[in-house]
Amino acid sequence: SAVISQKPSRDICQRGTSLTIQCQVDSQVTMMFWYRQQPGQSLTLIATANQGSEATYESGFVIDKFPISRPNLTFSTLTVSNMSPEDSSIYLCSVYGLTDRVENYGYTFGSGTRLTVV
Amino acid sequence: SQELEQSPQSLIVQEGKNLTINCTSSKTLYGLYWYKQKYGEGLIFLMMLQKGGEEKSHEKITAKLDEKKQQSSLHITASQPSHAGIYLCGADIGNGQNFVFGPGTRLSVLP
Repeated sequence: SAVISQKPSRDICQRGTSLTIQCQVDSQVTMMFWYRQQPGQSLTLIATANQGSEATYESGFVIDKFPISRPNLTFSTLTVSNMSPEDSSIYLCSVYGLTDRVENYGYTFGSGTRLTVV
Repeated sequence: SQELEQSPQSLIVQEGKNLTINCTSSKTLYGLYWYKQKYGEGLIFLMMLQKGGEEKSHEKITAKLDEKKQQSSLHITASQPSHAGIYLCGADIGNGQNFVFGPGTRLSVLP
């Protein structure tokens, strides 16, 4: 089953700086996803990160602002670059793969990173 | 347009009351997930439904998926303050490639 460790759990950052969020999975998974949840809103997919290929970004998200690395099948990072207060959100990573549920395959989410930009 | 709709948007109930949250899609869903989110925190997986007509229960929470696999309901029996939070439905809309979320339902339970 896939267990995700996401770091940091929260951070307060200065405007103009960058933060890298890490997502470590305890098993090999092909598909990893990064989501953002702005205050009071639902989750929005930022990008899909598959190992061995460039991340695929959703409309409204660009690589220069949210560079993603996926060096292997168990790890990914999302960087929030040149931050502004509008980037204050919860960022979640997710994987699609084996789960410990009876469904066997499904989505598992990290615990989230709560980012506040001041 | 929203792929998943949720109703109600928010709900305030007295402790001990039953409540239902609905999640609706115009498309057939390959997998329907229910999550709970404490304010400002990550997601807690509740249940996943895959088959039309499927129903699952865990403690005081029951989730159902209709036969057409386009609508799901989450029912909480004898609500408690610990049930308070945001309930999100999420769905797999295409062979594990696309996952979308509903807008969420904010539940408050008054002691």
